[in-house]
Amino acid sequence: SQKIEQNSEALNIQEGKTATLTCNYTNYSPAYLQWYRQDPGRGPVFLLLIRENEKEKRKERLKVTFDTTLKQSLFHITASQPADSATYLCALDINQAGTALIFGKGTTLSVSS
Amino acid sequence: DTEVTQTPKHLVMGMTNKKSLKCEQHMGHRAMYWYKQKAKKPPELMFVYSYEKLSINESVPSRFSPECPNSSLLNLHLHALQPEDSALYLCASRGARNTEAFFGQGTRLTVV
Repeated sequence: SQKIEQNSEALNIQEGKTATLTCNYTNYSPAYLQWYRQDPGRGPVFLLLIRENEKEKRKERLKVTFDTTLKQSLFHITASQPADSATYLCALDINQAGTALIFGKGTTLSVSS
Repeated sequence: DTEVTQTPKHLVMGMTNKKSLKCEQHMGHRAMYWYKQKAKKPPELMFVYSYEKLSINESVPSRFSPECPNSSLLNLHLHALQPEDSALYLCASRGARNTEAFFGQGTRLTVV
């Protein structure tokens, strides 16, 4: 069956440290992988999209890697802050048309000061 | 304007009621989505409209009926729901294929 896994349901780190979240997928060969942030009771907000021919993508304190051989993406938040506390979801399209976006279970990050 | 607007924000309905959820975007996106999200679970894909035509229906029960009146609007008609249908219903839109999705703030639905 098609599956996207995010290894940790919850991750607790101290302010200033780097948070690393993992997303693994099976039975797909996605051209893109996306990361979203979701705060409680609100819709997901897009953060980064990485293409299969890109090894790494950065945006401010965020960095995403994409290893199509391992079928894995890593999402890093450097110099983490309490305001980074949220649920982070990885997502990819599971059809050729690129229109069926599905999500992993998410990792809830808590950054303590 | 990169906003997806959903109404209402909250809805309480009885199992015999008929209600509708509404979603609007003015980004010119031709793909629009409905997702259902239960507590501590990821958004679960329900329906996808592409160019105002239903392109994906993820085996959703017929008590949920989607409608796309035009390229900016998406409705979800609800009838004879069950308490287990209580959830956050999210609408999203996308431009070109394999691009990022823009989500609304959701409608918190409670079925009593």
